[in-house]
Amino acid sequence: RKEVEQDPGPFNVPEGATVAFNCTYSNSASQSFFWYRQDCRKEPKLLMSVYSSGNEDGRFTAQLNRASQYISLLIRDSKLSDSATYLCVVNKGQAGTALIFGKGTTLSVSS
Amino acid sequence: GAVVSQHPSWVICKSGTSVKIECRSLDFQATTMFWYRQFPKQSLMLMATSNEGSKATYEQGVEKDKFLINHASLTLSTLTVTSAHPEDSSFYICSARIPEQGILQFFGPGTRLTVL
Repeated sequence: RKEVEQDPGPFNVPEGATVAFNCTYSNSASQSFFWYRQDCRKEPKLLMSVYSSGNEDGRFTAQLNRASQYISLLIRDSKLSDSATYLCVVNKGQAGTALIFGKGTTLSVSS
Repeated sequence: GAVVSQHPSWVICKSGTSVKIECRSLDFQATTMFWYRQFPKQSLMLMATSNEGSKATYEQGVEKDKFLINHASLTLSTLTVTSAHPEDSSFYICSARIPEQGILQFFGPGTRLTVL
């Protein structure tokens, strides 16, 4: 089983749509979880951290289910500028500072 | 957020040459920097963890003699790809961690290496 698994997509949605991405991770000891965004041929940029209680940042909502080792990202009212690859990221082990990246889910928002 | 720079942003070289990539933290001191590699349509793969003043820790499968890492100061880490071959062509990205901000990492803009 891969350490971090994501549906690669692509997800093709119209502007204004709501889209959800899922991610599973294999190491139950992981403690830190993030969603990063990566544009084509650019470096990843932090979108948001993911907390156990779930957290929201504007149109973006992240959820964590530790029992299922499952992370999600919900994007509401999609914008053209949301088109990118979304990377699910977890830390390596309980106290590990290294980050493990999923392959990413590609989102394409069209007008 | 914190700023991390990389130089060069892209490089094309002949097979057999060595290429050095620099990673700098511009507005903070980074005791730990990380080097990643990303092939097209693949995830970022951690190559090594670089700690200032000590030897880098390499991930399984990464040849330490081929990918030389030096972290001589709190603001600079370098990755040298020795005797580069076409299969080393990839997107190399560094990141740095600010201890006060936990394990959050800030990424450099990446270096695209093409070996002919």
